[in-house]
Amino acid sequence: NAGVTQTPKFQVLKTGQSMTLQCAQDMNHEYMSWYRQDPGMGLRLIHYSVGAGITDQGEVPNGYNVSRSTTEDFPLRLLSAAPSQTSVYFCASSYSIMGGYTFGSGTRLTVV
Amino acid sequence: QQQVKQSPQSLIVQKGGISIINCAYENTAFDYFPWYQQFPGKGPALLIAIRPDVSEKKEGRFTISFNKSAKQFSLHIMDSQPGDSATYFCAAPGRPNAGGTSYGKLTFGQGTILTVHP
Repeated sequence: NAGVTQTPKFQVLKTGQSMTLQCAQDMNHEYMSWYRQDPGMGLRLIHYSVGAGITDQGEVPNGYNVSRSTTEDFPLRLLSAAPSQTSVYFCASSYSIMGGYTFGSGTRLTVV
Repeated sequence: QQQVKQSPQSLIVQKGGISIINCAYENTAFDYFPWYQQFPGKGPALLIAIRPDVSEKKEGRFTISFNKSAKQFSLHIMDSQPGDSATYFCAAPGRPNAGGTSYGKLTFGQGTILTVHP
């Protein structure tokens, strides 16, 4: 099993550009989430999903869109990149919150 | 939004000492309180978690203490080792929400950078 796979690992964007961060898991997990990690801010929840077709907003959803058309994939779209979106992004999945999340290795995004 | 407040922000202990990290939370949809450990360049990984039927959970040198009335829980690392040096995050489930998806929401604290000196 590959676990949770995030691509790309590194990305530099110009302000105003859009892009999609990919996240795929092969564990048949229903629950998936996107977090961003910034120094001193911990892990902040952007969006989460409890199954295909069901998504909801987290703490910091503005500027990001998600969709969940399959159980395996949960892409995160940046609509118009801003320097404030420079961060490390983590995708995570779980069969149950109480089962513990499996995190991907992260995408380091820099917006210039 | 669920608030999870974690302290201290950083902690330095000597090898063999006890490391203590605290978290406070607001209302949650259910009682489940995990701690995650993160090493540099890696994603967080589940370390230990406590469920609603107990006030303390121990796994090796790691113990969670849970005080439901105070809405607080803490991580104790006994006999701390240099290999324990990492960032630790507490987490809590989301509040009940109108959409009924709160059971899938996990909110993290700000993190504690633990350094254990040899």
